[in-house]
Amino acid sequence: EAGVAQSPRYKIIEKRQSVAFWCNPISGHATLYWYQQILGQGPKLLIQFQNNGVVDDSQLPKDRFSAERLKGVDSTLKIQPAKLEDSAVYLCASSSTVGVRDFGPGTRLTVT
Amino acid sequence: QKEVEQNSGPLSVPEGAIASLNCTYSDRGSQSFFWYRQYSGKSPELIMSIYSNGDKEDGRFTAQLNKASQYVSLLIRDSQPSDSATYLCAVKKSGGGADGLTFGKGTHLIIQP
Repeated sequence: EAGVAQSPRYKIIEKRQSVAFWCNPISGHATLYWYQQILGQGPKLLIQFQNNGVVDDSQLPKDRFSAERLKGVDSTLKIQPAKLEDSAVYLCASSSTVGVRDFGPGTRLTVT
Repeated sequence: QKEVEQNSGPLSVPEGAIASLNCTYSDRGSQSFFWYRQYSGKSPELIMSIYSNGDKEDGRFTAQLNKASQYVSLLIRDSQPSDSATYLCAVKKSGGGADGLTFGKGTHLIIQP
């Protein structure tokens, strides 16, 4: 079984630029999550999708972050405009049952 | 009060000894608890999940849950250098369809050969 795929793996941008991340979950997994992990901290949930609907986006900074899940499969997370404090690893995870979370390799974003 | 608290460490344990990692949480309604291991530069990987009070054993790992005291712990027996990593405690939100996890900052564990 293929794991959660993410791209790009690394991205360096200047502040005020925009950036997008892509995630392909494990086949058949209805639930998809985006987490932000700042260096030295645990992952923080940004948004949860169930199929192509948003279940929880309470911690998503909606003035600059947006996310969508195309046809209930792939997902993109966008930041526009980026700030220095957005430098982090962005982790995508998918799940078929409660308590089972498969994380992708993450995208390391550096904002200069 | 932070939702999930862990001592950031580092926690240094001799090889072959028992490593004990602790976590407290603030939401008394939480029902599901998880321990993840994260190597430097890698994504978290699930080690254990626990849902009921008491102990749950899996190989060298034992998770312990005490809902009355709102703490979760992870014991690693016969610690190996390969166990050196950051261990993240995570708690599932209570209620509704949202089941995203709230993570602690993690405890950095060092196993000394």
